[in-house]
Amino acid sequence: AQTVTQSQPEMSVQEAETVTLSCTYDTSESDYYLFWYKQPPSRQMILVIRQEAYKQQNATENRFSVNFQKAAKSFSLKISDSQLGDAAMYFCASSGANDMRFGAGTRLTVKP
Amino acid sequence: DGGITQSPKYLFRKEGQNVTLSCEQNLNHDAMYWYRQDPGQGLRLIYYSQIVNDFQKGDIAEGYSVSREKKESFPLTVTSAQKNPTAFYLCATSPVAGLTYEQYFGPGTRLTVT
Repeated sequence: AQTVTQSQPEMSVQEAETVTLSCTYDTSESDYYLFWYKQPPSRQMILVIRQEAYKQQNATENRFSVNFQKAAKSFSLKISDSQLGDAAMYFCASSGANDMRFGAGTRLTVKP
Repeated sequence: DGGITQSPKYLFRKEGQNVTLSCEQNLNHDAMYWYRQDPGQGLRLIYYSQIVNDFQKGDIAEGYSVSREKKESFPLTVTSAQKNPTAFYLCATSPVAGLTYEQYFGPGTRLTVT
């Protein structure tokens, strides 16, 4: 079974600044994927970024990038040039062949 | 207009009653999933289905039941055996079977049981 831990229940960032959200995971799967999902106040879950574990290159999507450290089982999300619309709950998730796990989430506040 | 539909958005029931939550998709995705979300917690998998007429239990299947008679539909029944049914329920789909693929989520149903 997999476990996903997000150690920061809440984070805040000033608009236009950069913030990093932490995530660690544990898995016995040899092939797995990692995700960051965003859940705004509307509660609609939105995929932010995805990382295949077999790829060494860190995934990027516009202002969002990850720092994937496979040996350390760490998968942090960096948000650059933060915008007010980035305010949301962020969930880290890990999936393998037969299992998908979510962390407890980090609530991100963006200050104008 | 493609997407995942969950209805209703808010649902209220009396304790002891079974209730069925709807999830419909027109994305032609093979796999469908049901999650439960409680305050301060992440999503927990209830059931998933990778093909019509087949489904598998997730971590917290007790007190729930599902069916997958059509590719487009994956209703979830919350039975009276579920001890603490009040929660936010999310349905998700994935283009192909296998939990390694990203999932797409519906808008959710907030169930309140009193």
